[in-house]
Amino acid sequence: GENVEQHPSTLSVQEGDSAVIKCTYSDSASNYFPWYKQELGKGPQLIIDIRSNVGEKKDQRIAVTLNKTAKHFSLHITETQPEDSAVYFCAANNQAGTALIFGKGTTLSVSS
Amino acid sequence: EAQVTQNPRYLITVTGKKLTVTCSQNMNHEYMSWYRQDPGLGLRQIYYSMNVEATDKGDVPEGYKVSRKEKRNFPLILESPSPNQTSLYFCASSRLTGTNTGELFFGEGSRLTVL
Repeated sequence: GENVEQHPSTLSVQEGDSAVIKCTYSDSASNYFPWYKQELGKGPQLIIDIRSNVGEKKDQRIAVTLNKTAKHFSLHITETQPEDSAVYFCAANNQAGTALIFGKGTTLSVSS
Repeated sequence: EAQVTQNPRYLITVTGKKLTVTCSQNMNHEYMSWYRQDPGLGLRQIYYSMNVEATDKGDVPEGYKVSRKEKRNFPLILESPSPNQTSLYFCASSRLTGTNTGELFFGEGSRLTVL
């Protein structure tokens, strides 16, 4: 079945630095790639997503890039702030469109 | 306010004592799903439902049951809980576009401990 690998598992940056999280997926039929942010004690929340007909998408300080040939997609956060500290999950839809397959998560810590 | 509501949020139970975790959404979403979250394993799908009376297994369905009698509700049933079902459970819902899910809206989670 579909598999999504996510790296790194932990990431520590200084406030104002950029953070990059990378994911690879296995199913070439996947066409929807969301990123979720999970704060302590809460459920994951969508922060940005990208579909396979687009190579890059930006929303203020966050951006996602997709390389369908290499089956890679990445999350970029610029000018990080302490409130960006959370667990981030990438995901890809399965071929049937009935599930999102999640990476194992990246714990981002932003220190001021 | 659009939301997915799960209950209970925290539960400690003993092996073999049947329990139900309720999930309700107020967004009229066709699709609902249950995930479990375990350290180092991320989120794994237990069951999903594409609409009323349409449920199917996800990646880790063993030991769980679900039902979808109404569009807004999707309870998760553990008939005979075991310690390996100790986990953090999330219910999620989504609008369907054709047969594909879109943005998943998650509940706040239910932390279950089975002794």
